[in-house]
Amino acid sequence: AQSVTQPDIHITVSEGASLELRCNYSYGATPYLFWYVQSPGQGLQLLLKYFSGDTLVQGIKGFEAEFKRSQSSFNLRKPSVHWSDAAEYFCAVGASGSNYQLIWGAGTKLIIKP
Amino acid sequence: NAGVMQNPRHLVRRRGQEARLRCSPMKGHSHVYWYRQLPEEGLKFMVYLQKENIIDESGMPKERFSAEFPKEGPSILRIQQVVRGDSAAYFCASSPQGRNSPLHFGNGTRLTVT
Repeated sequence: AQSVTQPDIHITVSEGASLELRCNYSYGATPYLFWYVQSPGQGLQLLLKYFSGDTLVQGIKGFEAEFKRSQSSFNLRKPSVHWSDAAEYFCAVGASGSNYQLIWGAGTKLIIKP
Repeated sequence: NAGVMQNPRHLVRRRGQEARLRCSPMKGHSHVYWYRQLPEEGLKFMVYLQKENIIDESGMPKERFSAEFPKEGPSILRIQQVVRGDSAAYFCASSPQGRNSPLHFGNGTRLTVT
């Protein structure tokens, strides 16, 4: 069955520390992979996406993600978090040519310690 | 520079009542998508519409739920005879084209059925 797993429901990180949010997927075809962020009271915003090519993808707000086919993972990273990064982060996987038939993870809430 | 506008932000209905959720897409966007997010779960696709047409309703429950996107005015997601299990956050997204164009999300409507 197709699925996306974000193993961490909550993660707490000190401001200025590095961050890695995990995402594992199970998908039969070549996946298209996305990370979205939802700040409190806001809609979801696309951080970055992977369709093909270089497996290290750069996104907005200093985020990057690496696609590892052998591990079925697409982890999100940031070298130094800021208090404004506190939000919920969602990983999603989709099929080629479909921007809306996505399978979503349950999200990871990022808490920033001052 | 208005984004995707959803209203109301919060909606409380008693069991058996009707719920109407509205979504105005971004200016220039003619593709609208509705998603539902149950507590501690990822988003689930419900329906994809273009002006006056339902393109894909494979995620819509067979009964009580309907959606429209008229020539003029917002897209409406209608839930008749609501039950407690309908309590969720409902998100609308829009895009300028289909296929690989990115989705822009609204802030969601949180429906509570008492």
